[in-house]
Amino acid sequence: QKEVEQDPGPLSVPEGAIVSLNCTYSNSAFQYFMWYRQYSRKGPELLMYTYSSGNKEDGRFTAQVDKSSKYISLFIRDSQPSDSATYLCAIGGTDSWGKLQFGAGTQVVVTP
Amino acid sequence: DSGVTQTPKHLITATGQRVTLRCSPRSGDLSVYWYQQSLDQGLQFLIQYYNGEERAKGNILERFSAQQFPDLHSELNLSSLELGDSALYFCASSVGIPDTQYFGPGTRLTVL
Repeated sequence: QKEVEQDPGPLSVPEGAIVSLNCTYSNSAFQYFMWYRQYSRKGPELLMYTYSSGNKEDGRFTAQVDKSSKYISLFIRDSQPSDSATYLCAIGGTDSWGKLQFGAGTQVVVTP
Repeated sequence: DSGVTQTPKHLITATGQRVTLRCSPRSGDLSVYWYQQSLDQGLQFLIQYYNGEERAKGNILERFSAQQFPDLHSELNLSSLELGDSALYFCASSVGIPDTQYFGPGTRLTVL
């Protein structure tokens, strides 16, 4: 079993809809949680990071962490075609050297 | 632009050859991470350096090696290349440990 599970999609939504992405993880020792966006095999771009349970909002993006359920989510409001990309969750904190475990990535397609 | 630079952008070589990939971290970042991303494997952590010293190893083959120099740039050396080594290779950097990682644009390696 992988330490981080993420549905690879593709997830297709109409423009303006809410995109809902999630990851589950198995190790309760994970302490910090990130979401990256990757366009067509370019370098992953950091979108959100959080260290605690609860919600964190940044513009159209909301990251949600539920440590008790080992479940993290990313919501994208008012989705745009430019949001079409692969979204990777990354989780870390089980060692002292910053190693991250990445999900497989979910491909999102926002159609006009 | 994340501030992390990688050279070359593309590399085409033959099986059995050796190549060197270079990474310059963001100004002030002490930690450098190397990742491999192939179509069927997702983003795989290879190795991490902090201020010149190796700190963590992931799924790195014995044919691969890396180092971080006093000016903090890093090089990933891949030898006895095989067709299966064709992939995107990303470098990421962070200020400290643990900390958010910022990715470079990647080097696309094609082994023929």
